Amino acid sequence: KNEVEQSPQNLTAQEGEFITINCSYSVGISALHWLQQHPGGGIVSLFMLSSGKKKHGRLIATINIQEKHSSLHITASHPRDSAVYICAVGGGSQGNLIFGKGTKLSVKP
Amino acid sequence: NAGVTQTPKFRILKIGQSMTLQCTQDMNHNYMYWYRQDPGMGLKLIYYSVGAGITDKGEVPNGYNVSRSTTEDFPLRLELAAPSQTSVYFCASRHFTGAGNTIYFGEGSWLTVV
Repeated sequence: KNEVEQSPQNLTAQEGEFITINCSYSVGISALHWLQQHPGGGIVSLFMLSSGKKKHGRLIATINIQEKHSSLHITASHPRDSAVYICAVGGGSQGNLIFGKGTKLSVKP
Repeated sequence: NAGVTQTPKFRILKIGQSMTLQCTQDMNHNYMYWYRQDPGMGLKLIYYSVGAGITDKGEVPNGYNVSRSTTEDFPLRLELAAPSQTSVYFCASRHFTGAGNTIYFGEGSWLTVV
């Protein structure tokens, strides 16, 4: 069983829809990261959180430490949101990250 | 700021050849990482460094070597390239203080071994 599981693996949405991507993990962590990888490959960090909720523009990330679960929400989705969204968890003395396999999101106009 | 810069972007190697992927960061980060990304898989840690002069193996170190002579540079050396090393490689850095900090990635290097 993978230590970081993301669902769904693939997601197709119509422009304007509310989107939720889920991440469950089985290890103790100090922080959870949500990353975005666009076609062409570059990876950027969207959020790092260890408790509660963070919001940046149309993106919202939540984490429930007790349930070992995080969600990434996109409100009013747009075709430019099409990308792979990756969940990663960090823990231990070195904080090395363990990555999920990613969720491929396609937003149609 | 340039952030994390890695070169080359694309490279085709023949089996048995060697090469070095270069990585430089200008954010004075203490931690640097090399990952590989294979289709349908999460990023896997090859090697990491917690500071100049210190390196350690990650999850998939076989066939690779690294050095960290300066804070800025963290090159990845592939010795005797094999088809199994065909992958996309990412260098990353962060300022880690135990509490977790934002991680910054390079643009990726696409390597094909034929």
